Amino acid sequence: SYVLTQPPSVSVAPGKTARITCGGNNIGSKSVHWYQQKPGQAPVLVIYYDSDRPSGIPERFSGSNSGNTATLTISRVEAGDEADYYCQVWDSSSDVVFGGGTKLTVL
Amino acid sequence: QLQLQESGPGLVKPSETLSLTCTVSGGSISSSSYYWGWIRQPPGKGLEWIGSIYYSGSTYYNPSLKSRVTISVDTSKNQFSLKLSSVTAADTAVYYCARLEGSTRYMDVWGKGTTVTVSS
Repeated sequence: SYVLTQPPSVSVAPGKTARITCGGNNIGSKSVHWYQQKPGQAPVLVIYYDSDRPSGIPERFSGSNSGNTATLTISRVEAGDEADYYCQVWDSSSDVVFGGGTKLTVL
Repeated sequence: QLQLQESGPGLVKPSETLSLTCTVSGGSISSSSYYWGWIRQPPGKGLEWIGSIYYSGSTYYNPSLKSRVTISVDTSKNQFSLKLSSVTAADTAVYYCARLEGSTRYMDVWGKGTTVTVSS
């Protein structure tokens, strides 16, 4: 089965840039999607197809994907960005796969 | 605006069957562009995909749950449903339904989630 690996936690100061990685075997050949989940709320799609943003998602959120690592980048981090972030792919063998999630802490 | 709403019992006894329904409003479940799926999240843990269904009835299940899961669709009611049999405490979770894009299965619309506790 296909496995996605995320760091459990990332910390960043307000106004700085946060980078959350998602590792997987040759993940660059797949489309990666990212979700933000705040406590007590359903996940929200923030990036799809590696780097596309749904309407309503700030331009501060961006994504990239190459080789064995996909990255969600949040620029000019705000307190309101504090949340859990999950990457997700679709694999022909494993179907839908989520990463384990990364807790973003804004210092 | 498409909305999804989960419904079903919040408490299920061990060894029994968990049953949930997701009602789709503001759009048709029969759209050829989307799948419909169930995702769960145990307390303090990450997201786990349970399975997905196409409006035609084609189903796709997480291998780790496949033996216990049945997902069905009722296009006349614009609903799809989840049944999970032989539940244990490990099945206690928030259960979400979601719409999945057809090609790479990203989930662009989610229900608010419903908490299901397995306890006697």
